[in-house]
Amino acid sequence: ETGVTQTPRHLVMGMTNKKSLKCEQHLGHNAMYWYKQSAKKPLELMFVYSLEERVENNSVPSRFSPECPNSSHLFLHLHTLQPEDSALYLCASSREHAGNTIYFGEGSWLTVV
Amino acid sequence: LAKTTQPISMDSYEGQEVNITCSHNNIATNDYITWYQQFPSQGPRFIIQGYKTKVTNEVASLFIPADRKSSTLSLPRVSLSDTAVYYCLVLYNFNKFYFGSGTKLNVKP
Repeated sequence: ETGVTQTPRHLVMGMTNKKSLKCEQHLGHNAMYWYKQSAKKPLELMFVYSLEERVENNSVPSRFSPECPNSSHLFLHLHTLQPEDSALYLCASSREHAGNTIYFGEGSWLTVV
Repeated sequence: LAKTTQPISMDSYEGQEVNITCSHNNIATNDYITWYQQFPSQGPRFIIQGYKTKVTNEVASLFIPADRKSSTLSLPRVSLSDTAVYYCLVLYNFNKFYFGSGTKLNVKP
C-alpha cells in the first residue's frame, strides 16, 4: 500500500469508446503524475500537475485528456484510442520540495481492441 | 536534463551481494539520486535516496562519490524475490521525474 490508488486495475476498450482512469492519493501531496509504460520500453512521463495546475505535457496525443479537480484526485480521460495505446498507465504523486520522493500506484492495464 | 545510464541487465545468484552502478554526468547541484524497484505488472517502488557519500537502510545501501557523477546501489545477499528492474533516477526538477531504461536483475538459485 503506497497511498496511491488507481482504478480500474484492468480496462479493455474499443477504439470508439470513451473511458476514464482514476487516481487518488492519500498522502497530502501537491504534485500528481501520469506515466505510460509499454512493453519493453522505459517509463514515459505524460502529464504533471502541481497544485491542480498542469505543469508538464510531454507531446501526448489529444486522445488522452487529463483532469485534476483537486490535489488528491487525477483522471485520465481516454477517447478514440489506438491499439498501440495499450499499456500500463501509472499514476504517481510527490511533495514539492528538493529531495522529495515519488510514490506510484499499482497501475491500470489498458487494452485497446 | 540529467540523463542516467545503467547496464541493461545483470545476473546474480542467491546470497550474493549485487552492485548496480548508474552514471549521471550532468547531475545538478540540487539533484538527489533515487533508486526504484519494479516487479512485472506493478508500479515502481522506492528503495533508497541519497545526495552524497553513503546512505543505508534496511534493504539497500547507496554509494555516491564526491563528484556525484555516478552512484552504486548495493543489495546485500539477494534472493529470488529480488528479481526485478531497478531504476536510477536523478531529479531533474523538483516535480519532473524522468526514468531511464533501468537494469533488469535476474537472481538465479
